[in-house]
This record gives sequence, C-alpha cells and structure tokens, in this order.
Amino acid sequence: AQRVTQPEKLLSVFKGAPVELKCNYSYSGSPELFWYVQYSRQRLQLLLRHISRESIKGFTADLNKGETSFHLKKPFAQEEDSAMYYCALSGGPNSGNTPLVFGKGTRLSVIA
Amino acid sequence: DGGITQSPKYLFRKEGQNVTLSCEQNLNHDAMYWYRQDPGQGLRLIYYSQIVNDFQKGDIAEGYSVSREKKESFPLTVTSAQKNPTAFYLCASKGDSNQPQHFGDGTRLSIL
Repeated sequence: AQRVTQPEKLLSVFKGAPVELKCNYSYSGSPELFWYVQYSRQRLQLLLRHISRESIKGFTADLNKGETSFHLKKPFAQEEDSAMYYCALSGGPNSGNTPLVFGKGTRLSVIA
Repeated sequence: DGGITQSPKYLFRKEGQNVTLSCEQNLNHDAMYWYRQDPGQGLRLIYYSQIVNDFQKGDIAEGYSVSREKKESFPLTVTSAQKNPTAFYLCASKGDSNQPQHFGDGTRLSIL
C-alpha cells in the first residue's frame, strides 16, 4: 500500500537554526516524491520534487531509497518559512495522472 | 496558480441540504481532483477524474458526488449523507504525467 508518514505534527525552530522536516514513504515501485507548502492564507503550492533536484527558497530534499525517506532540509531557517509542509508521493511519470498520496503534514514555526 | 478557480470561498450548509462546490480550470489539464483537508489529517482524496466523462472514487467518497461533463469543470456535491462535512475542500488539476498537481484556493464549508 502507498503511504506517506510525517512523524512531526509541529516543529519549532529558532531563526537561523537548521531545519529538517521528516518524510518516510511506503511504495512497492519507483515513486516520485514531492514537498508542497501552504503559507497562511495562501493556496497549496509545490515547493520541490525529487526528479528536478533543485533548491527552492534554500530548501533541498534527497530521495533515499534505502531508507525510503525524502526529508526536507534548510541550513538556516527564516521567519517567512513558517508554514504547513506536506510530503506527497505518486507512482512516477509512468503512472499517468493517478492521484498524489499525502502525509498528514508538519507545521513549521520559526521563532525570531 | 490563477488557472484553477474554486468558488465560493466560504459556504454554509443547513442540515439535510446538498451543496455544490465549483472548480474550474483554464489550463487544459486532463486530470482533476478533489481533496478534503482537516487539521491533523492532511489531504484525503475524495474523487478524481483523469478524463472527461470518467471519474473514480478516492479514499473518502461516501457522501459526495461529482460530474465531469466538461474538461474545464469538476464540481463536487456534498450530499446530506455526508455526516461530517465541515472541512476545507481543495481542488487540483494536472496536465501530462510529468507535470505536478496545481491547486485552487479552496472552499471552506461549514454547517449552520
């Protein structure tokens, strides 16, 4: 069964501290992993996806197939990073337009 | 993403009433999705449609119905059979399989 687990409901860090939002997944094939972010009063938007391997707003995430993880990291947290973060999984480009499976989300709070 | 429009932004329902949430997209996307977002639950899939005139149930379809008569429109009806309809409803769409899902601003449904 496909499943995404985000073990932390809430993560509080001080401004300038490193951030790591954890995501583990369960999938029998080769999945595609995503991080979506929802800032206060804004729509859910894509932050990054593992196949693009790019850094967005200083965030990076590496797919670790051995540990089935896709943790989101940033070396120095900023106050504007405070938001709700969702990890999501799909079956990859060959799975067509099957829906994403989302984790329950982690609320990041960056304290000044 | 301005290409997906959900309306209304806020909706109130009386007990025993059916209400319909609108989702329109002008991105020429084939696939459209409805999710329900509850605190601590993440996003749960209600229904999705990969092509016009076809749709599939998601994980929590009971008490909901959809139609996909036009490519650009995927309305969701919350029926009186849905016993706990108070939630934030998100619509999404997706183009080809290499593209990520794009989300609307959402509709918040409350029971009077």
